[in-house]
Amino acid sequence: KQEVTQIPAALSVPEGENLVLNCSFTDSAIYNLQWFRQDPGKGLTSLLLIQSSQREQTSGRLNASLDKSSGRSTLYIAASQPGDSATYLCAVKYNTDKLIFGTGTRLQVFP
Amino acid sequence: GAGVSQSPSNKVTEKGKDVELRCDPISGHTALYWYRQSLGQGLEFLIYFQGNSAPDKSGLPSDRFSAERTGGSVSTLTIQRTQQEDSAVYLCASSHSRWELFFGEGSRLTVL
Repeated sequence: KQEVTQIPAALSVPEGENLVLNCSFTDSAIYNLQWFRQDPGKGLTSLLLIQSSQREQTSGRLNASLDKSSGRSTLYIAASQPGDSATYLCAVKYNTDKLIFGTGTRLQVFP
Repeated sequence: GAGVSQSPSNKVTEKGKDVELRCDPISGHTALYWYRQSLGQGLEFLIYFQGNSAPDKSGLPSDRFSAERTGGSVSTLTIQRTQQEDSAVYLCASSHSRWELFFGEGSRLTVL
């Protein structure tokens, strides 16, 4: 069964810290992996997309890595800010085109 | 518009009524997805459209749920005889073939 797990489920840190969010998937035959953020009461905003042939992607203070062999992806947030507070979701796409979501990490960055 | 547009943003209905939720994908995107997010829960896949292919309906929870996509663009998700457990946020997303997904803001459904 194709499952996606995210740890930790929740994280509360002071402003300025560097963070690592983890995403694990059981089936390594992925097509791509996408990281999203979701603010309360809002839809999902795409952050980074990593194709199966890539090892990492970077956008500003965000860096996402992919290790297919171990079934893991990490989202690294540098110099966290209160505006980064949100739920972060990873989603894995297989050749069926169905996107399987993790349960998310709820992040709070306090001043 | 530039993004995925969903309407209505909020819908309150009585148990037993039918509801229709609409999704306008990004122009040119061939793939369209519907997901459901219940309070405090993860995203549950409902249905997927890709071009002119037969949709993947494997996530629809019951035969009260149906969806169509007209002209390869706008999609409507219909829930018949709504139940309280149908209360959730219904999210639509589109993408160009197998690339990056873009989500709308969702339609929040409350069944009284």
